[in-house]
Amino acid sequence: GQNIDQPTEMTATEGAIVQINCTYQTSGFNGLFWYQQHAGEAPTFLSYNVLDGLEEKGRFSSFLSRSKGYSYLLLKELQMKDSASYLCAVRETDKLIFGTGTRLQVFP
Amino acid sequence: GAGVSQSPRYKVAKRGQDVALRCDPISGHVSLFWYQQALGQGPEFLTYFQNEAQLDKSGLPSDRFFAERPEGSVSTLKIQRTQQEDSAVYLCASSGTSGGRNEQFFGPGTRLTVL
Repeated sequence: GQNIDQPTEMTATEGAIVQINCTYQTSGFNGLFWYQQHAGEAPTFLSYNVLDGLEEKGRFSSFLSRSKGYSYLLLKELQMKDSASYLCAVRETDKLIFGTGTRLQVFP
Repeated sequence: GAGVSQSPRYKVAKRGQDVALRCDPISGHVSLFWYQQALGQGPEFLTYFQNEAQLDKSGLPSDRFFAERPEGSVSTLKIQRTQQEDSAVYLCASSGTSGGRNEQFFGPGTRLTVL
């Protein structure tokens, strides 16, 4: 079967660091994506991992361990505008299999 | 630049009505995907086109759902005899040629409410 697990909700304080974990079991693997989705808006691409290790892009980093079926998204120097849902998705061949999303609330 | 556009943005249908949802992908993008997103959930795959060919329709929940992309550009998702459980946001995404990162770019979605 296919299963992608991530926490439903997280809270954090402005300026802090937060790590959103994602574990997956899928029949195929062709890369792992993180998307950000503000309420009522389209998901927007944040990061992509296909090899094990850390990918850093500004305030956002994403890590992948294929042997453990595990990824995390790290957000540094949190800002109020980072309040959104964060979607972990595994690409199987071409289609994306999404987790339920982690709703992050950043407080001042 | 022009991203993925979808119309209508909102659609209210009475149970039993047919609806048609339109997606205009990014110009030149070969691949087009439809997803269904229920409230508080992640998007779920419905179907996928490469140019005009529908390569995967394994996610379509019933034979009431039909998608087409006749000229390999604009796509339409049609739902016949809508039911209340069809209420959701329908997202369209497009991407370029296969390989590498090739991320999917999403449209704003059509929010369908079936009464």
